[in-house]
Amino acid sequence: NAGVMQNPRHLVRRRGQEARLRCSPMKGHSHVYWYRQLPEEGLKFMVYLQKENIIDESGMPKERFSAEFPKEGPSILRIQQVVRGDSAAYFCASSAANTEAFFGQGTRLTVV
Amino acid sequence: DQQVKQNSPSLSVQEGRISILNCDYTNSMFDYFLWYKKYPAEGPTFLISISSIKDKNEDGRFTVFLNKSAKHLSLHIVPSQPGDSAVYFCAARKAGYALNFGKGTSLLVTP
Repeated sequence: NAGVMQNPRHLVRRRGQEARLRCSPMKGHSHVYWYRQLPEEGLKFMVYLQKENIIDESGMPKERFSAEFPKEGPSILRIQQVVRGDSAAYFCASSAANTEAFFGQGTRLTVV
Repeated sequence: DQQVKQNSPSLSVQEGRISILNCDYTNSMFDYFLWYKKYPAEGPTFLISISSIKDKNEDGRFTVFLNKSAKHLSLHIVPSQPGDSAVYFCAARKAGYALNFGKGTSLLVTP
């Protein structure tokens, strides 16, 4: 049973480009969470999704950021028109209902 | 607003001694609390959890204590080992919501 898989591990984008981060949850998990870790900061909640539904997106910036978790396939965090301040480590976690969440290895986004 | 607070950014402990990491929270609706351990360039790893109906949970060298009246929990590691050196995140959740994390405490266990 593979763990939470995130890809790519490292992503470099120029300012203004789009970044797509993928997350495949653990088998049997239908809850996905995205977190962002900025340098010297803790883990900041961004969005919580279940299959085809956004449950809580209170941590998502209002513009340029979107997330989806389709019926088939991985969850995608999409950042349009990236800026230098978007450079961070983005972690995805998955869980079954009301259990502990397991994290992927993260995607380190660098905007140049 | 930061609902889960880890007020000590770092802690240094000698090998073999006890490490005590502390965490405070503000939301009385939280009913599930967890500790994660994180090494550089890796994702957080689940360590131990406790439900709000309990005040203690033990797993090997790791014990989590919950004091609901004080809205405080702590992680005890005994005996501490050099391999325990990592950043420890406290997290809390109310049912149906995502985990809220503290900013982490960096633990260094020295030989």
